[in-house]
Amino acid sequence: KQEVTQIPAALSVPEGENLVLNCSFTDSAIYNLQWFRQDPGKGLTSLLLIQSSQREQTSGRLNASLDKSSGRSTLYIAASQPGDSATYLCAVRRTGGSQGNLIFGKGTKLSVKP
Amino acid sequence: NAGVTQTPKFQVLKTGQSMTLQCAQDMNHEYMSWYRQDPGMGLRLIHYSVGAGITDQGEVPNGYNVSRSTTEDFPLRLLSAAPSQTSVYFCASSYSYASGANVLTFGAGSRLTVL
Repeated sequence: KQEVTQIPAALSVPEGENLVLNCSFTDSAIYNLQWFRQDPGKGLTSLLLIQSSQREQTSGRLNASLDKSSGRSTLYIAASQPGDSATYLCAVRRTGGSQGNLIFGKGTKLSVKP
Repeated sequence: NAGVTQTPKFQVLKTGQSMTLQCAQDMNHEYMSWYRQDPGMGLRLIHYSVGAGITDQGEVPNGYNVSRSTTEDFPLRLLSAAPSQTSVYFCASSYSYASGANVLTFGAGSRLTVL
């Protein structure tokens, strides 16, 4: 059974700091991995999607990496800003038939202090 | 605006009542799904559909029904509400189920309280 773990559950950093959020998964048979952002009381917004054949994706100050063999992904946020404060979730999509749905981690709640 | 629209945003029910959460998307997405989000449990898949007329169960389907009569709509029905169904419900869709390149787009959520 695929399990997705995100550590730490919460993180507080001063503005301007570079930071890394971690995501691990137990089964390397995945189609892709997605990172989402969720603001309080809101839905999820997709930040980056890494296909299983890719090693990383970048969007602005965000960089996500994927190491399937070790079952790990990281989301790197450069020069953090207070507006980056949110909960960040990673989700993996398993391969094959009816199992090809997303499995989510429980998220890392990020707080960036001015 | 294109996207996933969920209604209602908030709902309070009494135990035993039934209701339908509506989900509509205007992006011609093939794949649609319903998740529930509970504190400490993360997001869990309830039901999903890979196209009109095709639905299947996810991780936590008990107490919920779905149907997909059109590409655009994917309603979630609570048959007899229970306090354990108090949660925030999210509908999500993507263009193709088969492709690994398709991003999942979420609605804003429906917060349900069952008394």
